[in-house]
Amino acid sequence: DGGITQSPKYLFRKEGQNVTLSCEQNLNHDAMYWYRQDPGQGLRLIYYSQIVNDFQKGDIAEGYSVSREKKESFPLTVTSAQKNPTAFYLCASSPQTGVNTEAFFGQGTRLTVV
Amino acid sequence: AQSVTQLDSQVPVFEEAPVELRCNYSSSVSVYLFWYVQYPNQGLQLLLKYLSGSTLVKGINGFEAEFNKSQTSFHLRKPSVHISDTAEYFCAVSPRQGAQKLVFGQGTRLTINP
Repeated sequence: DGGITQSPKYLFRKEGQNVTLSCEQNLNHDAMYWYRQDPGQGLRLIYYSQIVNDFQKGDIAEGYSVSREKKESFPLTVTSAQKNPTAFYLCASSPQTGVNTEAFFGQGTRLTVV
Repeated sequence: AQSVTQLDSQVPVFEEAPVELRCNYSSSVSVYLFWYVQYPNQGLQLLLKYLSGSTLVKGINGFEAEFNKSQTSFHLRKPSVHISDTAEYFCAVSPRQGAQKLVFGQGTRLTINP
């Protein structure tokens, strides 16, 4: 089945550690996105990528990093510089930029700092 | 820049009653409009979208929404709800040009009581 796979579903991190969240899609979409969800705040854009080897900061990029070495993959690293990383992280993809259609979402990764 | 306001954080209704979830937006550019549904610990699923044409948009699961440009609103409605509609609902907009960077409202938690 075509779709977006995020792993792991649950992730625990000690303070001061970097962690990487995986996002893979087999929809042949050009654009990929990372959102953060906090209770009562909706979703906020962290980073997005419109094409391989290129990405742009979203509204809350501080403390995060990404890479886009392959069209199918857009991993997100939560660094120790992120002051409050406990949240639900959602990855999405869309067919192409410039022609707005539906964004497809993964099932999310819940990150907890312990 | 865009912003989205969902006017109700929680909406309780009885089963088989009608429901309206309200959404207002502001934007300096033309936008597309979306409603997404999220079940607990899941990703987002598209309910419906307004790209152009008829202002009344029908979506999945019996939901519909009406785009009102003069009031900058995009309210979601369903004439008769079911227990299975219990979920969180997000209104979102994205610019018509460029990457599909979604801007979300804070969400409305719809609770259906038997």
